[in-house]
Amino acid sequence: GEDVEQSLFLSVREGDSSVINCTYTDSSSTYLYWYKQEPGAGLQLLTYIFSNMDMKQDQRLTVLLNKKDKHLSLRIADTQTGDSAIYFCAESILINSGTYKYIFGTGTRLKVLA
Amino acid sequence: DAGVTQSPTHLIKTRGQQVTLRCSPKSGHDTVSWYQQALGQGPQFIFQYYEEEERQRGNFPDRFSGHQFPNYSSELNVNALLLGDSALYLCASGKWRETSQPQHFGDGTRLSIL
Repeated sequence: GEDVEQSLFLSVREGDSSVINCTYTDSSSTYLYWYKQEPGAGLQLLTYIFSNMDMKQDQRLTVLLNKKDKHLSLRIADTQTGDSAIYFCAESILINSGTYKYIFGTGTRLKVLA
Repeated sequence: DAGVTQSPTHLIKTRGQQVTLRCSPKSGHDTVSWYQQALGQGPQFIFQYYEEEERQRGNFPDRFSGHQFPNYSSELNVNALLLGDSALYLCASGKWRETSQPQHFGDGTRLSIL
C-alpha cells in the first residue's frame, strides 16, 4: 500500500536541533523528499535522498534513511525562528516506467520558540 | 528561467459551479501532475498528463478532469463543485524518463467554495 505517516507537531527552542520523523510503506520508492510549506504558500523542496543511500547532508539539513524500517528523518541544526513551518515527507512511486507520482505525509508543524 | 506557474492564485466559487485551473510547466518539462491539498492535510495526487493524455489517476471522481496542450501546459477542470473541493490545488512538472530529478511545484491555486 501507499501510506506516509508523520507526527503532527514539534516544538523546539531557537538554536537547538530539530528532528522530524516519517515512516512510509511502499518499498518500491525511488526517492524520498522533504518539503517545507509556510502559511499560504506552496511547497518548497528542501532536500531529497535516493532510496539506496543512508544519509545526505546539505548545510544545516541532514537526512537519514533506514530502508529496512522504512523510516526517514530530517534533522535541522541550529534551528531558527524562520524554520517555523509545516514539513512534508514524500515518497516517489514510479508509474508508467517514465515518471512518478508523489505520496505525501500529513505534515509536521514545527514551532521554533525564541 | 520561469518555474511552474499557476493561475489564478485565488478563486471563489459556489456549490454546483464549474472551475478551470491552469498550469504552465517549467521550461523543458513535458509532464504535468495535479495535486489537491485540503486544509491541514498533505497533497493528494489527482492525475498526471504526458503527451496530451492522462497517464495515471488517483482516487478522485470523474468530476475532476484535465487536459494537456501541445505546448505542455495543462488545465484542471472540476464540475459540480462541492464544499469539500475547497483546497489548494498544486501543479507539478517534470520530464518524462528523468526520474532522478525531482518534480517542480507551482505556488498553487487556492479554491474556496461557498
